[in-house]
Amino acid sequence: EAQVTQNPRYLITVTGKKLTVTCSQNMNHEYMSWYRQDPGLGLRQIYYSMNVEVTDKGDVPEGYKVSRKEKRNFPLILESPSPNQTSLYFCASSLSRGGGASDTQYFGPGTRLTVL
Amino acid sequence: AQSVTQLGSHVSVSEGALVLLRCNYSSSVPPYLFWYVQYPNQGLQLLLKYTTGATLVKGINGFEAEFKKSETSFHLTKPSAHMSDAAEYFCAVSANTGTASKLTFGTGTRLQVTL
Repeated sequence: EAQVTQNPRYLITVTGKKLTVTCSQNMNHEYMSWYRQDPGLGLRQIYYSMNVEVTDKGDVPEGYKVSRKEKRNFPLILESPSPNQTSLYFCASSLSRGGGASDTQYFGPGTRLTVL
Repeated sequence: AQSVTQLGSHVSVSEGALVLLRCNYSSSVPPYLFWYVQYPNQGLQLLLKYTTGATLVKGINGFEAEFKKSETSFHLTKPSAHMSDAAEYFCAVSANTGTASKLTFGTGTRLQVTL
């Protein structure tokens, strides 16, 4: 089944404790992206990747890191989480390298993160 | 720059009534427009999208949307609401603006369907 998977689905942590949220897609998509969803703000892009070893900042990159060492995986890293990073996180992928404007983005199920 | 405005963060309709969720966009280049739906505790899934051609777009679950360039709108409609339509709906815009296109979302509209 074609899908985007994220792990963990739920995570409660404390300020400053490094964490990684994994994302994997099995559709051979070039483009991958991370979003955070907050009430009243919709989805905002954190980072995106057009291909292996090619990543760039989105609208709200502060406090986050990403890497793209393999085509299928795009982990999100919080080196020193803070309470303002409590949010619902989504990974997404689409076919084209540039995230082709007309491409459909396929979303993972989400990771709900709470930072105490 | 591109942006999306969704009017009404919450919309409530009776089962069997018309569903109308409003979306207006701003884009300096020809846009591509999307509606995504998010059911409770799930990720977003595509309802429908407008790329080129016919301005009336039909999607899944009986939803449709019409691209109106003169009004910069892409409102989502469904003739008869069903309880299973209760979800949050996001309008999004994308455009070819350089090396990487970007999908910009509205703030979402939560649809409640009552008996």
